[in-house]
Amino acid sequence: DGGITQSPKYLFRKEGQNVTLSCEQNLNHDAMYWYRQDPGQGLRLIYYSQIVNDFQKGDIAEGYSVSREKKESFPLTVTSAQKNPTAFYLCASTRGGSANTQYFGPGTRLTVL
Amino acid sequence: GENVEQHPSTLSVQEGDSAVIKCTYSDSASNYFPWYKQELGKRPQLIIDIRSNVGEKKDQRIAVTLNKTAKHFSLHITETQPEDSAVYFCAGLNDYKLSFGAGTTVTVRA
Repeated sequence: DGGITQSPKYLFRKEGQNVTLSCEQNLNHDAMYWYRQDPGQGLRLIYYSQIVNDFQKGDIAEGYSVSREKKESFPLTVTSAQKNPTAFYLCASTRGGSANTQYFGPGTRLTVL
Repeated sequence: GENVEQHPSTLSVQEGDSAVIKCTYSDSASNYFPWYKQELGKRPQLIIDIRSNVGEKKDQRIAVTLNKTAKHFSLHITETQPEDSAVYFCAGLNDYKLSFGAGTTVTVRA
């Protein structure tokens, strides 16, 4: 999992701002995922991408957007439409196909001021 | 979609005792069940996983069992140590997506 990086580690957003969280992997993994984690809760899937230039909504996609222009990069934009964005955001990746281990990045903690 | 429920939400054990966490899943098509350990402020780390064609898997002090008929799987930690204190998450894979349980906070008392 050391091959997945996320930046920044901490991010502060003002009301009405869009912010973009970075996720990069050098594991040559095909699939990438974004999760949101709230205190005392499990991980909820925001978006995922199985291949370049293709992505699907997860369970809580409203107020978020993604792009997958390169295999190694899967940035997440938290838009002003997301009314409660304060959370810990985790990116993960896995080799193509099912039943493969997902490896997580170190996470970005987003706080709305 | 898949729904994974995890129990208990908190677990306190004496050092050296065993800890058991149980999860149930709803979709019989789910075929892969990983367990993650997460320390405060850190990323989840895979500790063990099991595929649907296997009933039990063991790795040193950690074991996982799977009952496909009843759609439940369990994590067993034996001879617990203080460094086992963390939040543990179970998950089930269906249609390329992992669904996570809400987590179990395990505290090992010295």
